[in-house]
Amino acid sequence: AQSVTQLGSHVSVSEGALVLLRCNYSSSVPPYLFWYVQYPNQGLQLLLKYTTGATLVKGINGFEAEFKKSETSFHLTKPSAHMSDAAEYFCAVRAGANNLFFGTGTRLTVIP
Amino acid sequence: GAGVSQSPSNKVTEKGKDVELRCDPISGHTALYWYRQSLGQGLEFLIYFQGNSAPDKSGLPSDRFSAERTGGSVSTLTIQRTQQEDSAVYLCASSPEGTSRNEQFFGPGTRLTVL
Repeated sequence: AQSVTQLGSHVSVSEGALVLLRCNYSSSVPPYLFWYVQYPNQGLQLLLKYTTGATLVKGINGFEAEFKKSETSFHLTKPSAHMSDAAEYFCAVRAGANNLFFGTGTRLTVIP
Repeated sequence: GAGVSQSPSNKVTEKGKDVELRCDPISGHTALYWYRQSLGQGLEFLIYFQGNSAPDKSGLPSDRFSAERTGGSVSTLTIQRTQQEDSAVYLCASSPEGTSRNEQFFGPGTRLTVL
């Protein structure tokens, strides 16, 4: 079985500050891991994904995430927050199933 | 190119009525997924279509929910005898193949409100 836990349903950071959104997963098989972003009234857009290979993956808009098997984590980071980063972020895992299992999401607020 | 489109964007219905939600996947994508996003919750998988294979219906919450995909392209999600707890955003996604690695491309969703 697979599951995803996102710690913190709401995260606030100041503009220019580090963004850290946490994601831990549970999977009995090697997982594929994804981060999606959802802007208001829009569909989900893929930020980045981990399948195999390099454990540090870079995505769009300056985001990156590191797959840490020992910690079963896939935290999302960005060195410097921008106002346009305000959105809801979803971590998802796909392992041995057709569909994605999503976390409950983290709403990021950027304070000017 | 065109992305995944869904219609209607908003649907308000009365309890007990049937509704149909439509999804047009990206041309050439063989895999199609339906998810439900309820307020304050994550996305819940509903159903998956891959080519001509039998659909994976394991996520459908009750027999009031059904979906079909005609000609391997357009899909319709039908909810019969709607209940207030069916109120949610219904998201459709498509993928070029059914393998685990591929990104799912999401549509903007249909917001369903059951009064």
